[in-house]
Amino acid sequence: NAGVMQNPRHLVRRRGQEARLRCSPMKGHSHVYWYRQLPEEGLKFMVYLQKENIIDESGMPKERFSAEFPKEGPSILRIQQVVRGDSAAYFCASSPPDGVEQYFGPGTRLTVT
Amino acid sequence: GIQVEQSPPDLILQEGANSTLRCNFSDSVNNLQWFHQNPWGQLINLFYIPSGTKQNGRLSATTVATERYSLLYISSSQTTDSGVYFCAVLYGNKLVFGAGTILRVKS
Repeated sequence: NAGVMQNPRHLVRRRGQEARLRCSPMKGHSHVYWYRQLPEEGLKFMVYLQKENIIDESGMPKERFSAEFPKEGPSILRIQQVVRGDSAAYFCASSPPDGVEQYFGPGTRLTVT
Repeated sequence: GIQVEQSPPDLILQEGANSTLRCNFSDSVNNLQWFHQNPWGQLINLFYIPSGTKQNGRLSATTVATERYSLLYISSSQTTDSGVYFCAVLYGNKLVFGAGTILRVKS
């Protein structure tokens, strides 16, 4: 049973470009969560999604960031017009319908130059 | 919101030594997880332990929910145990992480 998959593992973008991070949850999991690990700030919740619905986006920056989890395909975290401060590790987690234990993917390390 | 505090912030052990890591949280929770972030940055699930005691090999964990703390025990430490250990509690829909304990095991 494959775990949570994220791609790409490493992403380099220049300031002003767009970054798209993908996450495929574990088989049988219908809940997806995105977290960000900034240097010196630890792991912080960003957004919680179920298929075609954003349930909680209280941790998302107000501008430039968006997330989706379509009926078919992976969840996408999109960052428009990236800035140096967006450089971080972005982790996706998934959980089964009971929503208790979350399992994490390997992360995408975004570097903005 | 809920506060999650971990101690000690960092720890250096000689290979073969035992250690206890602590996690305190400021409010009632229904879910607590322990993770190991290895030197490659991957987050590994160690325990899902909202209450009680669990053991997995050289690792064990205990959560006393009524007193709002959890402990992670590492016995006979190995160099591969090095990394950062996080506890996280489920608050609403999200996991709230502590700042972590940085563990270095020397051979």
